[in-house]
Amino acid sequence: EDQVTQSPEALRLQEGESSSLNCSYTVSGLRGLFWYRQDPGKGPEFLFTLYSAGEEKEKERLKATLTKKESFLHITAPKPEDSATYLCAVRYAGGTSYGKLTFGQGTILTVHP
Amino acid sequence: GAGVSQSPSNKVTEKGKDVELRCDPISGHTALYWYRQSLGQGLEFLIYFQGNSAPDKSGLPSDRFSAERTGGSVSTLTIQRTQQEDSAVYLCASSLEGTGRSRAQYFGPGTRLLVL
Repeated sequence: EDQVTQSPEALRLQEGESSSLNCSYTVSGLRGLFWYRQDPGKGPEFLFTLYSAGEEKEKERLKATLTKKESFLHITAPKPEDSATYLCAVRYAGGTSYGKLTFGQGTILTVHP
Repeated sequence: GAGVSQSPSNKVTEKGKDVELRCDPISGHTALYWYRQSLGQGLEFLIYFQGNSAPDKSGLPSDRFSAERTGGSVSTLTIQRTQQEDSAVYLCASSLEGTGRSRAQYFGPGTRLLVL
C-alpha cells in the first residue's frame, strides 16, 4: 500500500506558467511533511516542513500548503532554473521506525524558456 | 556552514567484494540516517542513529548490510559480498533532533555504487 503518492509524475511548463504539484498521504499520526528539491546527480535539498493542516510556507516562487490528506507545492511564474525533481516525504508516529522519512516517487518538473 | 559530506563520490566494485561508504554529518547534529536511491524504487530508508540510543536497523535489506557511528559523528555503511542489485546511490542525512517537533533532514551528495 502506497503511503505517499505524488502527482503528476512529470510536468512540463513554459516559463511564467504557474502550476501545482500534489502529494497525498495515507499515514496516521503525521509528525511532519517535508518537501525537497533534487537536481540530477545531487542529494535532495530541503525546502519546507509542514506540521499541521492549514499551515503554509513560502520561499521565493514556491509555496507549500497542507491539508489532512495532502500537500500542494505551488510554483508561481516558474523559471528554467526551477527545473528539478521535487520530492515529498512524511514522518509519522506509526510504522516500524520513528526516525525515517517515507518518500513519494517525485515529480519531475521541466520549465522551458 | 559545512553540509553533510560523503565519500567516495563514486565506487565501482566487483560482485562479491566488500565496500565501505563514509558519511560526515553536519557538526552538532545528533541524528544520522542512511537511505538508498535506485531507479524505480525511489528513496528507501536503511538505518537511523540517534544520540547514544541503539540504532534503528529496520530498513536494512539483508544481513550483508551494516553500519556504525563512531563518537556520535562519522558513520560508515558497509556492504559485504556485494551483489549487482546493490547498485544504487547511497545517501546520508543528518538532523538536529530533540524533544520538540520533527526536524528537517539534510542530505549529502551521495555515493554512487556500481557493482559489476
